[in-house]
Amino acid sequence: GENVEQHPSTLSVQEGDSAVIKCTYSDSASNYFPWYKQELGKRPQLIIDIRSNVGEKKDQRIAVTLNKTAKHFSLHITETQPEDSAVYFCAASIRGNQFYFGTGTSLTVIP
Amino acid sequence: NAGVTQTPKFQVLKTGQSMTLQCAQDMNHNSMYWYRQDPGMGLRLIYYSASEGTTDKGEVPNGYNVSRLNKREFSLRLESAAPSQTSVYFCASRTGANTEAFFGQGTRLTVV
Repeated sequence: GENVEQHPSTLSVQEGDSAVIKCTYSDSASNYFPWYKQELGKRPQLIIDIRSNVGEKKDQRIAVTLNKTAKHFSLHITETQPEDSAVYFCAASIRGNQFYFGTGTSLTVIP
Repeated sequence: NAGVTQTPKFQVLKTGQSMTLQCAQDMNHNSMYWYRQDPGMGLRLIYYSASEGTTDKGEVPNGYNVSRLNKREFSLRLESAAPSQTSVYFCASRTGANTEAFFGQGTRLTVV
């Protein structure tokens, strides 16, 4: 199966600063890379995704970049706010509908 | 629309007991998944069903069985619960390979 590695495991930033979370994957057949946000006690929810035919995608303060050659993708959050504090998961989806997640990054935005 | 519904929300089992976690989705999705979430280990795939009538093992299938009862429902069974199966279990569903997955609210299972 796919192996998705995520770094860092914890991240603290000052409000207004940027946060970057990085993931790598092992299977070159992976073709869909979503990012999920999970608030304490809640279910994971999609915040942004990117497909293998695109290098970058933005949605307001959130962006994702994909480097298929190096097999890594990153989440960028700009102008962070306290409500961005949560656990963020990357994931990779490959043939046969397999869908694997990274180990998560706990982001704390300090007011 | 209810989305993805899991039952129960909480459960305490004794070692060796069996139970079935239920999951149902009303979004006409083809694919369904079961994950377990443990601190520091993210979401690990237990089993998945790419379409009605098919099931496949994920990363951590040992000690579990699944049934895709119909397009809507995908159940996870623990035949003989062990303390190592204490976890939060999430069911998810999606239309196909490159689409958003929607999660249920989770089941917190404790095995004593």
